[in-house]
Parts: sequence; structure tokens; C-alpha cells
Amino acid sequence: GENVEQHPSTLSVQEGDSAVIKCTYSDSASNYFPWYKQELGKRPQLIIDIRSNVGEKKDQRIAVTLNKTAKHFSLHITETQPEDSAVYFCAASPPNFGNEKLTFGTGTRLTIIP
Amino acid sequence: GAVVSQHPSWVICKSGTSVKIECRSLDFQATTMFWYRQFPKQSLMLMATSNEGSKATYEQGVEKDKFLINHASLTLSTLTVTSAHPEDSSFYICSARVSGTGYNSPLHFGNGTRLTVT
Repeated sequence: GENVEQHPSTLSVQEGDSAVIKCTYSDSASNYFPWYKQELGKRPQLIIDIRSNVGEKKDQRIAVTLNKTAKHFSLHITETQPEDSAVYFCAASPPNFGNEKLTFGTGTRLTIIP
Repeated sequence: GAVVSQHPSWVICKSGTSVKIECRSLDFQATTMFWYRQFPKQSLMLMATSNEGSKATYEQGVEKDKFLINHASLTLSTLTVTSAHPEDSSFYICSARVSGTGYNSPLHFGNGTRLTVT
């Protein structure tokens, strides 16, 4: 099955600076890579996702890059703000006729220092 | 749109009792729902895939007789933790994908249920 590794486990960034979280996956068939943000005690919220047919996707201050050859993808948050503090999870899934299962990384606790 | 409601949000039960958790897709149909378990400060571990009208598919190491899953309609899946023990204390989260939206469409998560077994 798929195995997703995520680094770093914790990250502290000065407000206004950029944050980068990296993930690697093992299953070369995986073609969908979402990123979720989870605040304490709350549900994971999808913040951005990328499919294997593109190498980069951007949504305002958030961007994701994908390197299929190296099997890794990264989340980039620019101009960080205090409300960006949360735990971020990457995930990956191979296609399975609509029943795709997401395998999550171990999470990164991001703290934005005011 | 695409709201998933999970109930209860928290529950405390005694060892040996059973607890049922409901997961509802409020504004869409979900042929497939997924149940995850999350320990404090850890990742989401998939427990099982719930399929409407058929048996759930459990991940390796998850006891199907302990974690009973029923997906009786296109908007409701339930997880019953039977004969609960303190080690079953955890955060359980369901998720669902809008039916008919194609491969790898986004997963929408419920708010989770914090189960504490005393």
C-alpha cells in the first residue's frame, strides 16, 4: 500500500515569512495529492490539492508543487499569518474507480510567531 | 455545500458498553464513506471503507467484529464500537466523497467524535 512521509513534524515561522512542508510517497500509481489543515479538536479542512497531470498549483498565499519522478510534493505558504497556525497533513491516493483511499502523512504542527 | 455531520461530537462510556457514531452527508449522496481514527498529536489512520448496501472493507489490523460499520443509505454510515475498552479512547472522524464526481474527488470530513472509555 501507499506510504506517505512528512517533514518537518514541527515548524515555527516568523509572521510574514514563508513556510514549506515536504512529503514523499511510495506508490508510483498515486495521482492525487491533497493538503489538509486541522485546528485543535476540529475536522481536517482541504486547503489545496494537486493531481499528477500538473506540476504546480497556486491559490493566493498557498501553493503546492509535485515532482512525480522523485515522488515528492510540497506545500508552500507565503506571507504567513497567525491564523495559519495549525497542523497540516499531506495525503496521497492512487486511482481506484471512485473508491480512492487517502493515506495521510504524519502531520506538521506549524506555529506562526507574531 | 458538501457538509458532513457527525454525531455525537463527544461521548464518555464505561468499559464493556457499546457506542454508536453516526456520519451523515447533509447535502449530497455518498456511496462511499471512510472512517478514520486519530490519536492525540498523530495522523489520521484509515480504519475502514464503508460502502452503501454492502459490507465495509477494513484495513489490516482493524477488528471488524469490534468496529461494526453499517452504511444503510446514501447519506448515513454508522460506526459502532462494541465492548469498548480504555484503549479504544480516541478521536474518530468520518469522511465522504460526493457520489458521481469522478476519480479522486475531494474528501469532506465530519467534525469528529471524541470517545473516552472509562
